[in-house]
Amino acid sequence: SQQGEEDPQALSIQEGENATMNCSYKTSINNLQWYRQNSGRGLVHLILIRSNEREKHSGRLRVTLDTSKKSSSLLITASRAADTASYFCATEETSGSRLTFGEGTQLTVNP
Amino acid sequence: NAGVTQTPKFRVLKTGQSMTLLCAQDMNHEYMYWYRQDPGMGLRLIHYSVGEGTTAKGEVPDGYNVSRLKKQNFLLGLESAAPSQTSVYFCASSYLDEQFFGPGTRLTVL
Repeated sequence: SQQGEEDPQALSIQEGENATMNCSYKTSINNLQWYRQNSGRGLVHLILIRSNEREKHSGRLRVTLDTSKKSSSLLITASRAADTASYFCATEETSGSRLTFGEGTQLTVNP
Repeated sequence: NAGVTQTPKFRVLKTGQSMTLLCAQDMNHEYMYWYRQDPGMGLRLIHYSVGEGTTAKGEVPDGYNVSRLKKQNFLLGLESAAPSQTSVYFCASSYLDEQFFGPGTRLTVL
């Protein structure tokens, strides 16, 4: 079964707007990661946040983690058409090195 | 530095045929993984390996076998393909937390 559930399943915004995607999970984790997938391509790692961290930034990306609510959010600021892709959260459970992926959010940024 | 490569990129099989998907990485990573991605299902882990000569089952291992004879290669085998195995297969490798993915193999079983 999927560990992470993402919300929304699809998001369509205009260039320049901010995009927020949410991820909820069920078990204790070591870290939570966000990946991006362009159509027909493999996944690319974006950012990792550890269970003892609450917020992390990387360029236009901001990730938050609330372990009490078992949820995370990914914010992409000042979006660009090139940000159009599917975004997946993945959790590494405390029991091992495997990642469990959510079903993804399809982001469309309209020029 | 090619990263993670997968062979082949596309394949069409008939039910009952067998095939092997090859994953190779040149980053000297210990961990390697095979996932399948189906529409609306995200990625599901089939098998993984924590080092040369070791393999372990993931979430959906039935109908698949794997081997890790060399550290840089991870093979995924389908002994008797079924239409339910139609999917896109991704290989990944990692050293610590971040996983590096190959471009995928699109497999259709008729």
